[in-house]
Amino acid sequence: QKEVEQDPGPLSVPEGAIVSLNCTYSNSAFQYFMWYRQYSRKGPELLMYTYSSGNKEDGRFTAQVDKSSKYISLFIRDSQPSDSATYLCAMNTGGFKTIFGAGTRLFVKA
Amino acid sequence: EAGVVQSPRYKIIEKKQPVAFWCNPISGHNTLYWYRQNLGQGPELLIRYENEEAVDDSQLPKDRFSAERLKGVDSTLKIQPAELGDSAVYLCASSSSVGRNTGELFFGEGSRLTVL
Repeated sequence: QKEVEQDPGPLSVPEGAIVSLNCTYSNSAFQYFMWYRQYSRKGPELLMYTYSSGNKEDGRFTAQVDKSSKYISLFIRDSQPSDSATYLCAMNTGGFKTIFGAGTRLFVKA
Repeated sequence: EAGVVQSPRYKIIEKKQPVAFWCNPISGHNTLYWYRQNLGQGPELLIRYENEEAVDDSQLPKDRFSAERLKGVDSTLKIQPAELGDSAVYLCASSSSVGRNTGELFFGEGSRLTVL
């Protein structure tokens, strides 16, 4: 079993839809939770970063962490074609080894 | 501010040939990482440097992979000889985390390797 599980998709939604992306994990010691966005043939870029449980909002993006369920989510409101990318969840314990999910490919259709 | 710079962007070689990738991190970032990303997978850590010192190379296949970070700035990752299974994107990342790592990594665009 992988430490971090993420549905690879692809996920296809119409423009303007609310998108929900999720990851589950097994290591209860994870404290820092990140979402990276990766466009085709580009490197990942950090979207959201959350410490421990709770919600964090940044514009159209909301990250949620539920440590009791070992479940994290990223919501994208009013999705745009420019949001089409692969979304990677990532987490670490506060050390330097960050574990990434496999990524979910998202397509937003105009 | 310039981001993490990697070269070459693309490399095609035949198996058993050597290959090298270069990375220039963000100025002032003392921590440098090399990751490998296979198709359809997330990045996996190969090696981490703190300044000039390789502090975590537990996932680096040392029989054929080597890395160096001279003067604590630029870094080179080498594969010799390359195997078919080495085809992947090699990502360099840097961070300025001191002490506890929050996972905020800054990635380059990657070097895509194809081994024929």
